[in-house]
Amino acid sequence: GQNIDQPTEMTATEGAIVQINCTYQTSGFNGLFWYQQHAGEAPTFLSYNVLDGLEEKGRFSSFLSRSKGYSYLLLKELQMKDSASYLCAVASGGYQKVTFGTGTKLQVIP
Amino acid sequence: DGGITQSPKYLFRKEGQNVTLSCEQNLNHDAMYWYRQDPGQGLRLIYYSQIVNDFQKGDIAEGYSVSREKKESFPLTVTSAQKNPTAFYLCASNRYRGNTGELFFGEGSRLTVL
Repeated sequence: GQNIDQPTEMTATEGAIVQINCTYQTSGFNGLFWYQQHAGEAPTFLSYNVLDGLEEKGRFSSFLSRSKGYSYLLLKELQMKDSASYLCAVASGGYQKVTFGTGTKLQVIP
Repeated sequence: DGGITQSPKYLFRKEGQNVTLSCEQNLNHDAMYWYRQDPGQGLRLIYYSQIVNDFQKGDIAEGYSVSREKKESFPLTVTSAQKNPTAFYLCASNRYRGNTGELFFGEGSRLTVL
């Protein structure tokens, strides 16, 4: 089976940097996603890591360590609109099963 | 424009009735997925399919059924055997069969059982 863990909630200040961690246990790892989801809406894609290391995309960066089963999403220069849930998901197996964690609800405060 | 279309957006049903949620994509994607989301929770995988006429059970398949007769379509039936069907249902698709890339999501269908 798979186990994906993320913190349930986080609070950060506008303009600051926040790091959201995700740990996972799976067999047949194929890649790790990060999605952003605002309440009542569908998730939107942020990043996809297959190899170890840091992927940077504007204010958002995602890091992966396959040997440690660990990833983080780094959000810089936080804006109020970044208040949302952030979902970590793992792709695994020959049939490309994609399993999501329970998500981290981020609140950005002034 | 290409994308994933889910319908209906809102659906009400009485207990004991089956209901089918539609998911259509014109992205020429091989893989399609159905997820369920409860308030304040993450996405839980119901069923997924990599190719036509083949699909796999996800983590919470009991009480649900799917078909994949066409590449573009992956309907989900919520049967009367599903004990707590009220939820937000999301369909997604993905381009590559052998290498998972970005999942594209539909806007979701919100099912309420009265």
